[in-house]
Amino acid sequence: GIQVEQSPPDLILQEGANSTLRCNFSDSVNNLQWFHQNPWGQLINLFYIPSGTKQNGRLSATTVATERYSLLYISSSQTTDSGVYFCAVEDSGTYKYIFGTGTRLKVLA
Amino acid sequence: ETGVTQSPTHLIKTRGQQVTLRCSSQSGHNTVSWYQQALGQGPQFIFQYYREEENGRGNFPPRFSGLQFPNYSSELNVNALELDDSALYLCASSLAPLAEETQYFGPGTRLLVL
Repeated sequence: GIQVEQSPPDLILQEGANSTLRCNFSDSVNNLQWFHQNPWGQLINLFYIPSGTKQNGRLSATTVATERYSLLYISSSQTTDSGVYFCAVEDSGTYKYIFGTGTRLKVLA
Repeated sequence: ETGVTQSPTHLIKTRGQQVTLRCSSQSGHNTVSWYQQALGQGPQFIFQYYREEENGRGNFPPRFSGLQFPNYSSELNVNALELDDSALYLCASSLAPLAEETQYFGPGTRLLVL
């Protein structure tokens, strides 16, 4: 089945810093989403981004489907950005999303 | 508008027992997906329900079963619990069973099997 790898596994930032999180996937995909899981376990959808670039405030994402990767950019990080960031890709045509192992981000005040 | 709710929030069971977890979908959503998240891992898809029918299943044994009711709320049942079933169980609802639809997640149920 499709493999989803995320890097880095862990990231510690000072408040105000910028960061780039990467998601690589082993096969072509039609659908990709980014999620944030806060320290209490709540999972929030950030972007649906099968290709191209999207921006939402301090967050933006880019997917290059032909090269099988997606990037999530966080600018001017805040302590509330802490948590785990997951990308998830659809196992083609199955409605089943395969999640990566995540990037655990800690933003220090 | 009420978000996705799950009950109970925490649960402790012993090996071999059975458990039922509940999920109320967001208003207007007819699709519910269930995920298992072991500690330190990403969520793993268990199955999806659309209009009371199972609409896709992940690599989970038959002792994981589910239901969806006419009001689109859902249950996850696990029989013959094993220690490895200890995890956070998440449900997510969406407007339709389409991969591009935004999934709205509940707060999860933390299950501990002793």
